[in-house]
Amino acid sequence: DQQVKQNSPSLSVQEGRISILNCDYTNSMFDYFLWYKKYPAEGPTFLISISSIKDKNEDGRFTVFLNKSAKHLSLHIVPSQPGDSAVYFCAASARAGNMLTFGGGTRLMVKP
Amino acid sequence: GAGVSQSPSNKVTEKGKDVELRCDPISGHTALYWYRQSLGQGLEFLIYFQGNSAPDKSGLPSDRFSAERTGGSVSTLTIQRTQQEDSAVYLCASSPTSGRGDTQYFGPGTRLTVL
Repeated sequence: DQQVKQNSPSLSVQEGRISILNCDYTNSMFDYFLWYKKYPAEGPTFLISISSIKDKNEDGRFTVFLNKSAKHLSLHIVPSQPGDSAVYFCAASARAGNMLTFGGGTRLMVKP
Repeated sequence: GAGVSQSPSNKVTEKGKDVELRCDPISGHTALYWYRQSLGQGLEFLIYFQGNSAPDKSGLPSDRFSAERTGGSVSTLTIQRTQQEDSAVYLCASSPTSGRGDTQYFGPGTRLTVL
């Protein structure tokens, strides 16, 4: 039973346009959410996070939106760049522990 | 500074053999995590160490899996009597404390292939 789901395995966008990556979760105990980016043969690197007390967090070209009632979060990248091409993982953490529960990832391809 | 390092980067073994995977966390980080990523899957939590506390082993898939962390630094993940379904990339991460706002820094992973 996947508690964190990324329903789109891949996404292709044109350079300069917006990339929107989506993530859904089922566990209502999750209250901290993160996005990680992963290049081939490398470990995931932290991108941006959001606490459940907020509905938006912005860092440069990256913005994460959280809709708690829908148990949905999204990552917006504007403008998208070819260097953003990677696999993006959504992750969540519950109050009781520190381990992260990850989604299956979305492969983003930004075309020049 | 040096990031999280893992060795070996690749390991091919025969079914039934034991393997040991090593993780060197970032110096000074008190929290250490092991995850694995099977083909086409997300990262799956295995085990978590925080300082001298008893580890959280709730993610270990079977009793063939064990891990230890010596001196609060280096960690070894051991898989006994490996099975083909153990084939995956095993990732180690560390963070400065166990605070939930702390970013987990990942190593490059060890790709394990069980023939």
